[in-house]
This record gives sequence, structure tokens and C-alpha cells, in this order.
Amino acid sequence: GQQVMQIPQYQHVQEGEDFTTYCNSSTTLSNIQWYKQRPGGHPVFLIQLVKSGEVKKQKRLTFQFGEAKKNSSLHITATQTTDVGTYFCAGNNQGGKLIFGQGTELSVKP
Amino acid sequence: KAGVTQTPRYLIKTRGQQVTLSCSPISGHRSVSWYQQTPGQGLQFLFEYFSETQRNKGNFPGRFSGRQFSNSRSEMNVSTLELGDSALYLCASRTGDTEAFFGQGTRLTVV
Repeated sequence: GQQVMQIPQYQHVQEGEDFTTYCNSSTTLSNIQWYKQRPGGHPVFLIQLVKSGEVKKQKRLTFQFGEAKKNSSLHITATQTTDVGTYFCAGNNQGGKLIFGQGTELSVKP
Repeated sequence: KAGVTQTPRYLIKTRGQQVTLSCSPISGHRSVSWYQQTPGQGLQFLFEYFSETQRNKGNFPGRFSGRQFSNSRSEMNVSTLELGDSALYLCASRTGDTEAFFGQGTRLTVV
């Protein structure tokens, strides 16, 4: 079945450093979504990418969707303590199934 | 607009028992998906219901089942509970392939 792999599983950074998490799907996706889950909270939607090669920015966050629509990345520039949490990618296949990656847990040391 | 509501928030059950969790989606959302979250395993897809029909299913044993009612509310049932079923169970509602809105989850502990 469809699998979505995400690396790394954990990332510890010093405040001000950059952070990147990568997502790979075993199948071509119709779109990909990114979510953030704060400690003790539930996943909250960040963004959706639909087009091949699409790049979107939200302040210090940059999201990319690969040309083959099978991989994606989230890059955070100059991390802040408010960025702490687990970041998940989630791929939509043609059947409407939303499959999540394992998530990358980001900790930021002030 | 009210968000996704899951009840109960916390539950403690004994091995071998069964449990039913409830999810009320956002008004107008006909798709409800259920996920199991455990440390290090991310969000494992259980199943998705759309207009009272199971549209997609994950790789969980038959002890995990669900249903959806005509008002889009959904229930998830786990029979013959095992220690490994201890997890946070999240439901999410959405329309089409758009963003998923998650509830706060039900924290199930099996002892």
C-alpha cells in the first residue's frame, strides 16, 4: 500500500539555526499537506501543495513539492522557540486517502 | 463554527474489554477519518468514512471497526483490547481533498 516516509525523526537545533524535514511517497500524490503538532496538542494544517515543482512560503517557512509529485520538503529559516513541535507531511492519493509520514520532532534550544 | 469534537477525552480500560470512541465532525463535513498515534509511529491511518460508507481502510486488524451516521457523526470501536492499543486516537473531518481538521483526540490507556 501507499507509504509516506519522513526524515529525520528528530532534530535538535540551536535557536537561529535552520531546519529541514523531508518527505517521500512510494506513489505519485495528487497533493501534499503539511501539519504541525505542538506538544500535547493535535495536528494543525499549515499548507497544501498541488502542482508539480510548486514552492510556497509562509514567513520563515518554505514548502516544496517535487517535480514527480512524490517528494516534498519543509524548510524553516532561523528557528525560534515557538517553532517547537512535530511536523508531519501527509499525502493525498487518487482515492482520497490522506496518509501521514512519521513526523519530525523539532526541539529548539534558546 | 464549532470544531471537531471527540469524546471521551481520556479512557482507561482493561485488557479484553471493548471501547467505543465518538467523533462529531465540523458541520457540513461528510468525510471523517480516524488515526492512531503512538510515540515514534506517527499517525497511523485506521479508516475513512464518507456519507455513511467506509471509503478507505488502513492495515489494522478486524478488532478495529467504525461506522458513520446520517448526521456524519462517527464512532470507532475496538474489541478485545490489548496493551498495544494504548494510544491517542484522533479523528479528522474534511471536505474533498482539502485540509483535515483534527479533534483533540481520545487518550486510551489499556491496563
